[in-house]
Amino acid sequence: GAVVSQHPSRVICKSGTSVKIECRSLDFQATTMFWYRQFPKQSLMLMATSNEGSKATYEQGVEKDKFLINHASLTLSTLTVTSAHPEDSSFYICSASSGSGRAFPYEQYFGPGTRLTVT
Amino acid sequence: GQNIDQPTEMTATEGAIVQINCTYQTSGFNGLFWYQQHAGEAPTFLSYNVLDGLEEKGRFSSFLSRSKGYSYLLLKELQMKDSASYLCASLDSNYQLIWGAGTKLIIKP
Repeated sequence: GAVVSQHPSRVICKSGTSVKIECRSLDFQATTMFWYRQFPKQSLMLMATSNEGSKATYEQGVEKDKFLINHASLTLSTLTVTSAHPEDSSFYICSASSGSGRAFPYEQYFGPGTRLTVT
Repeated sequence: GQNIDQPTEMTATEGAIVQINCTYQTSGFNGLFWYQQHAGEAPTFLSYNVLDGLEEKGRFSSFLSRSKGYSYLLLKELQMKDSASYLCASLDSNYQLIWGAGTKLIIKP
């Protein structure tokens, strides 16, 4: 149980274009979803936290107009990287928390990640 | 400030035991998580401790000392597939996970 899917797994796009990444909780309702970015050999960096039906809370230094997050339902959140540049190339990972019903309400279940390469 | 410290890299031998330490300083504390992350993959949950003491789960055990701000992950009977990064994360007073940089564990035959 507690499966989170993420699509696409890999994407290559040209500089200046936008890319949308989907994160879905398959067998539970995710009251909260998290978006992380991870550069090679570095730790996870939280970008934003989103609750269903409300605006995402962005971490300091993360441009909300560049990284658009939508959490329209309890099973789907999307991250859109707008006007992507090569420095946005990274491993983007989403996670979801049910808030209740699982072993630990704050346990985060991770999606498989999306590797974004901007050329 | 908030800080999680863990060794960058450790090496161990197949079949042996290894202990990965983690010290934390966070604004409030609501528990300590350990995650395993294989290269190129997302993290997977290993353990959660909120009370002092040792919790054993098969070959993996996790220990917490709240007074010392210290935790460790103990891996027994190491297997080659245990080669991965192990992430320590503290849940702060806002129930936000503060992540360590991870410990890369290399298992040698």
